Amino acid sequence: AQRVTQPEKLLSVFKGAPVELKCNYSYSGSPELFWYVQYSRQRLQLLLRHISRESIKGFTADLNKGETSFHLKKPFAQEEDSAMYYCALLSGNTGKLIFGQGTTLQVKP
Amino acid sequence: DVKVTQSSRYLVKRTGEKVFLECVQDMDHENMFWYRQDPGLGLRLIYFSYDVKMKEKGDIPEGYSVSREKKERFSLILESASTNQTSMYLCASSRPATQETQYFGPGTRLLVL
Repeated sequence: AQRVTQPEKLLSVFKGAPVELKCNYSYSGSPELFWYVQYSRQRLQLLLRHISRESIKGFTADLNKGETSFHLKKPFAQEEDSAMYYCALLSGNTGKLIFGQGTTLQVKP
Repeated sequence: DVKVTQSSRYLVKRTGEKVFLECVQDMDHENMFWYRQDPGLGLRLIYFSYDVKMKEKGDIPEGYSVSREKKERFSLILESASTNQTSMYLCASSRPATQETQYFGPGTRLLVL
């Protein structure tokens, strides 16, 4: 079964601390994974996709096929990073996404 | 700049009412999606459409139907609203290629009393 699991509902860190938001997936085949973010009172938007191997707002995510993980990392959290983060897996070739449960990141001053 | 709009930000309806949620996108996207967003459950796909008059069930289609008569508009219909359909509803659109970003609307918060 295709599934995305984000084990943490809430992650609370202090400003300047490293951040890792966990994402594990279940998929038979070569996965295509994304991170979406929703800031307070804003719409959900794409943060990054694994195929681009990009760093956005200091965040990176590496696909680890052995551990079936796609954790989102940032070395030094900022208060403006506080948001809800969703990991998503592309299902098939129709453009459908399977989303995880979401993790709220709270960065304290 | 991609724009996805939803007809209402907040909606209050009574049990048994028929409810229409409208979504419009202005980027000529083929794909359109309806999700509901619930705390602890993430986003769950209700229905999606990959072309005019085409639709496919998502993970939780029960109690919902959709309509796509024009490319830019995708409507979600609650035939007989129930309290367990109280939720945030998000619409999204994208191009058909698999790596294309989904662009989301602002959401409609529906309360069914």
